[in-house]
Amino acid sequence: NAGVTQTPKFQVLKTGQSMTLQCAQDMNHEYMSWYRQDPGMGLRLIHYSVGAGITDQGEVPNGYNVSRSTTEDFPLRLLSAAPSQTSVYFCASSYPPGEQFFGPGTRLTVL
Amino acid sequence: GENVEQHPSTLSVQEGDSAVIKCTYSDSASNYFPWYKQELGKRPQLIIDIRSNVGEKKDQRIAVTLNKTAKHFSLHITETQPEDSAVYFCAAKAGGYALNFGKGTSLLVTP
Repeated sequence: NAGVTQTPKFQVLKTGQSMTLQCAQDMNHEYMSWYRQDPGMGLRLIHYSVGAGITDQGEVPNGYNVSRSTTEDFPLRLLSAAPSQTSVYFCASSYPPGEQFFGPGTRLTVL
Repeated sequence: GENVEQHPSTLSVQEGDSAVIKCTYSDSASNYFPWYKQELGKRPQLIIDIRSNVGEKKDQRIAVTLNKTAKHFSLHITETQPEDSAVYFCAAKAGGYALNFGKGTSLLVTP
């Protein structure tokens, strides 16, 4: 099993550009989530999904969109990147709700 | 929503000493309390967790205690080693699927 995978590992964007961070898991987990990690702020929940076709907002959802068309994939879309979105992004999955397995992260810089 | 506070933010101990990290939570419905370890540049990984029907759990040098009345839980690391140096995050889950994380404790173990 590959576990939770994320692409890309690094990305630099200009303000106003859009992009999609990819996340996939091969553990047949129902629950998937996206976090951002900023220095001194811990892990903050952006969006999560409890199954295909079901998504909900977390603590910091503004500026991000998600969709869940399959159990395996949970992409995160930045609609119009802003410097405040410079962060490390982690995707995670779990089944049943409990231990979350994290992906390796994507380090995003917005200039 | 759930609010998790974690102390201290930094902790320095000598090799062989014990380290204690404390967290408090606000939602009395919280029933799952994991601890994650994150090494520099890596993803968070679960090291131990406890559910609300248990007061203490131990795994070799690591133990977690939970006081539901006071709404706090603690991580105890005994006989610390340099490889224990990392950032540690506590989290709490109150129903649903979302984990709320503390802001992290940077632990440094000096030889």
